[in-house]
Amino acid sequence: EVQLVESGGVAVQPGGSLRLSCATSGFTFDDYTMYWVRQAPGKGLEWVSLISWDGSNTYYADSVKGRFTVSRDNNRNSLNLQMTNLRTEDTARYFCARGFSSSIGGSITHWGQGTLVTVSS
Amino acid sequence: SYVLTQPPSVSVPPGQTARIACGGDNIGSKSVHWYQQKPGQAPVLVVYDDIDRPSGIPERFSGSNSGNMATLTISGVEAGDEAAYYCQLWDRSSDHWVFGGGTTLTVL
Repeated sequence: EVQLVESGGVAVQPGGSLRLSCATSGFTFDDYTMYWVRQAPGKGLEWVSLISWDGSNTYYADSVKGRFTVSRDNNRNSLNLQMTNLRTEDTARYFCARGFSSSIGGSITHWGQGTLVTVSS
Repeated sequence: SYVLTQPPSVSVPPGQTARIACGGDNIGSKSVHWYQQKPGQAPVLVVYDDIDRPSGIPERFSGSNSGNMATLTISGVEAGDEAAYYCQLWDRSSDHWVFGGGTTLTVL
């Protein structure tokens, strides 16, 4: 069974930093593109970042580019999101997600339950 | 950047057909995916690559994509289909994933 379990979400002040992690199991991790998607309270889904199967290609939404860094450890089957210079508008539930394949343009087939990040003074 | 436009809400009586639109410039040339999200839950993929259904998704769910509009069709709507539905695609020109704003389906 595919499992994705996010951790690291907490309350932080504006300008602060945070590192989210996603532990995965039940599939061959380095066969898949991985994603971060967020959802602000009461709002829709917003793509944040994606990383190719080998970590060589990363992409970011304009809203987080230059502040967030995605990485993966294929030996530990884990995905990470380093978040810096956090803003109140970054408040959201952050979902770790697995792609359909190693293709970047494919769909997301599996999602974690998310971890809540709150940015507030 | 590429924009996907969805109606905020759609309402249909049980047993009828719900059609949820997703508009975008020449969207028919791109692969569109659809997700269902119920309150407090993670999204679930219901249609991928315009028309394909993942295993476990009922045949009542189908998709189409042509011109400037993609559509998710749910036949024989049931109370359990009440949820938010999001379209999504990969925009190669900007190397960005794009989600539509979401449509809330209400079963009357």
